[in-house]
Amino acid sequence: SAVISQKPSRDICQRGTSLTIQCQVDSQVTMMFWYRQQPGQSLTLIATANQGSEATYESGFVIDKFPISRPNLTFSTLTVSNMSPEDSSIYLCSVDGLAGYDEQFFGPGTRLTVL
Amino acid sequence: KNEVEQSPQNLTAQEGEFITINCSYSVGISALHWLQQHPGGGIVSLFMLSSGKKKHGRLIATINIQEKHSSLHITASHPRDSAVYICAATPLYNQGGKLIFGQGTELSVKP
Repeated sequence: SAVISQKPSRDICQRGTSLTIQCQVDSQVTMMFWYRQQPGQSLTLIATANQGSEATYESGFVIDKFPISRPNLTFSTLTVSNMSPEDSSIYLCSVDGLAGYDEQFFGPGTRLTVL
Repeated sequence: KNEVEQSPQNLTAQEGEFITINCSYSVGISALHWLQQHPGGGIVSLFMLSSGKKKHGRLIATINIQEKHSSLHITASHPRDSAVYICAATPLYNQGGKLIFGQGTELSVKP
């Protein structure tokens, strides 16, 4: 299994500002995923991040709003830009397992509140 | 209609009760995941299964591929089991590890 940490664990931000969330894995992984979970909802995939290439965004999510970096095989960041109260959510990163795509491990999440 | 459906959406139980959460899916899958999300938000992967049954402590997960149905059972439930339980599927048409998530079942176990 993979152990994943996220920073920050929670934050309260002002409208119009940006927040960068970090995801660190204790082993090298091919694929990292960023999810958003709005209050009372299930998880929605924002983008998939592979090392050395541009992130692949899902429908409804754009790079200008959610820029992602993946500088190496153990680390990724997600930035939530120009935040509004609608961005208040839990943001989670996950990674694929060493055995392939079928296994996924999730981070502890970042709880974001935008005022 | 969602490709992965869970029932019930909410469940309240007394400590010690046997609990069942159901998950039905409408697509071909290569794996079915059961996840647990505590109030803080972090998610723990409980099981990943593609056939049969798995057991870990008081938790049991079963899957019936022909009926496209999976169940998560909790025996001798305890207040610390209170969490949201999420069923997620890895579809056969899987593109890059994406999962399809159910809506979640919020479980509250009362002492």
